[in-house]
Amino acid sequence: EAEVAQSPRYKITEKSQAVAFWCDPISGHATLYWYRQILGQGPELLVQFQDESVVDDSQLPKDRFSAERLKGVDSTLKIQPAELGDSAMYLCASSAIRGYEQYFGPGTRLTVT
Amino acid sequence: DQQVKQNSPSLSVQEGRISILNCDYTNSMFDYFLWYKKYPAEGPTFLISISSIKDKNEDGRFTVFLNKSAKHLSLHIVPSQPGDSAVYFCAATADRGSTLGRLYFGRGTQLTVWP
Repeated sequence: EAEVAQSPRYKITEKSQAVAFWCDPISGHATLYWYRQILGQGPELLVQFQDESVVDDSQLPKDRFSAERLKGVDSTLKIQPAELGDSAMYLCASSAIRGYEQYFGPGTRLTVT
Repeated sequence: DQQVKQNSPSLSVQEGRISILNCDYTNSMFDYFLWYKKYPAEGPTFLISISSIKDKNEDGRFTVFLNKSAKHLSLHIVPSQPGDSAVYFCAATADRGSTLGRLYFGRGTQLTVWP
């Protein structure tokens, strides 16, 4: 069964350091999403790609967060510098058709100390 | 402002009985709704969805009901099994505009099914 891959699964970093997360969507899925889930809340969308183009980054804190999907396949989400409030689960998802079922990866648990 | 609300943080049900998880939404533009199940340390797993043109969708033990006038949907699990114990998230999306594809999630309901 095809799955969304993410790495690393866990990351501990110090405040002000840079951190990066990687996602490989299900093969053939044109739409890729990055969500952030804070403990006790539901996931919130950070950025959405259609192929290699960003189509929704309205909730991305652009002063410290960046995302790219250069060849329209895998994607990287970066935080620089990390802050204590960035501690959360970062989830990647993909869908075959924008607006319909999204399939999530296992997530990266980030702890900023 | 929470546009999708799950007002029950937890639900406990005996094995074999029906589990009913509820969800309310405020945005009348939402026209597609989904339920996800999440185990600890894993990503959410898609369960079932429903379009606003329907009022019911069924898949095995899972049925989702949509009441558009009340802006309310519910997930029924019959019969409930211990392996169903997880956090269930309700999500909604609007099929238009720049936010097409953005899922709005509730805070989740922890379902515990006991033997």
